[in-house]
Amino acid sequence: KQEVTQIPAALSVPEGENLVLNCSFTDSAIYNLQWFRQDPGKGLTSLLLIQSSQREQTSGRLNASLDKSSGRSTLYIAASQPGDSATYLCAVTVGGSTLGRLYFGRGTQLTVWP
Amino acid sequence: GAVVSQHPSRVICKSGTSVKIECRSLDFQATTMFWYRQFPKQSLMLMATSNEGSKATYEQGVEKDKFLINHASLTLSTLTVTSAHPEDSSFYICSAPRGDNEQFFGPGTRLTVL
Repeated sequence: KQEVTQIPAALSVPEGENLVLNCSFTDSAIYNLQWFRQDPGKGLTSLLLIQSSQREQTSGRLNASLDKSSGRSTLYIAASQPGDSATYLCAVTVGGSTLGRLYFGRGTQLTVWP
Repeated sequence: GAVVSQHPSRVICKSGTSVKIECRSLDFQATTMFWYRQFPKQSLMLMATSNEGSKATYEQGVEKDKFLINHASLTLSTLTVTSAHPEDSSFYICSAPRGDNEQFFGPGTRLTVL
């Protein structure tokens, strides 16, 4: 069974810092990996999607890398801002009959203070 | 990005009543949708996979007679919580895949059972 772990569970930093959030998964046979952002009491916003054949994706100040063989992904946030404060979730999709089913980590709760 | 809506966003009901939650993909069709529930400070737990034109697939431990799922069309799935009890109070979120299996989530429905 696929298990996804995120480290750290919580992170509190001053504005302007560059951040690295970590995600690991136990079964490397994934179809893709997705990073989401969740604000309190809200749904999930998709940030980046990395296909299993890709090594990284970038969107603005966000960069996500994928090392499928070692079962790891990192989300890099450059020049953090208070508006980045949220919970960041990593999820993997496996192929085969469970295509589309996401396995989530427990998230990293990020607080960026001015 | 793609848009998935949920209705209602918040519902309060008495114990023993049934509550219907709608999930719609607004700008794309989805033969499959997913229903999750999320408890405070926890990650998302997959409840079931909703399949257009066939029965839903439930995760282990989820009562299919309690949580009725109907995928009425390629843009609509409904989750009905039957005979709701206080322990059913939770945040329910749906998702739908689009394109190369990128998942898009609805804004969630907060259910409170008194």
